[in-house]
Amino acid sequence: TQLLEQSPQFLSIQEGENLTVYCNSSSVFSSLQWYRQEPGEGPVLLVTVVTGGEVKKLKRLTFQFGDARKDSSLHITAAQPGDTGLYLCAGVGGNNRLAFGKGNQVVVIP
Amino acid sequence: DVKVTQSSRYLVKRTGEKVFLECVQDMDHENMFWYRQDPGLGLRLIYFSYDVKMKEKGDIPEGYSVSREKKERFSLILESASTNQTSMYLCASSLSLIYTEAFFGQGTRLTVV
Repeated sequence: TQLLEQSPQFLSIQEGENLTVYCNSSSVFSSLQWYRQEPGEGPVLLVTVVTGGEVKKLKRLTFQFGDARKDSSLHITAAQPGDTGLYLCAGVGGNNRLAFGKGNQVVVIP
Repeated sequence: DVKVTQSSRYLVKRTGEKVFLECVQDMDHENMFWYRQDPGLGLRLIYFSYDVKMKEKGDIPEGYSVSREKKERFSLILESASTNQTSMYLCASSLSLIYTEAFFGQGTRLTVV
């Protein structure tokens, strides 16, 4: 089982601040996905990164895939209360299965 | 709009009962998955299916079985529910096993008493 470690596990910030969360592994992934899950709902895909070094932007969210395709980061600029949620990274490894990290719980305080 | 629908949002069952969790997708996806989500443990794959009547064990299949008689429907069965199966159960579907998005249902919170 390829392990995806997400850090920090929990992060609470004020509205307007910036934040970065991380997803790390010792394994190489053919692609990494980031999902956001709101309370009582299923996860929803935000982005998929495929190429090492790739950077993708989704409004105030910036996703980066590490050069070696073992890690990824999510940066949120000027966080809003609507960004509150559990951010999950998921990677497709050599067994062709999608494995999830435990998530980064982000709380943005108005 | 794509949709994965789980039959119940909340279920309470007694220890020893046989429990069926149903999931239906309307996207004609080949692949369907059952996960359970627990605090501190994240999402763990129970079973997945890549075609009708085909199934493969995930990371934690013990105590569970699945059925996929039709492409759009994937059922998770708890043969004899136990309290350690109290959890959030999430169904998902995807077009292929790799690269493509997994679409999730809203989840079923199962409590076994």
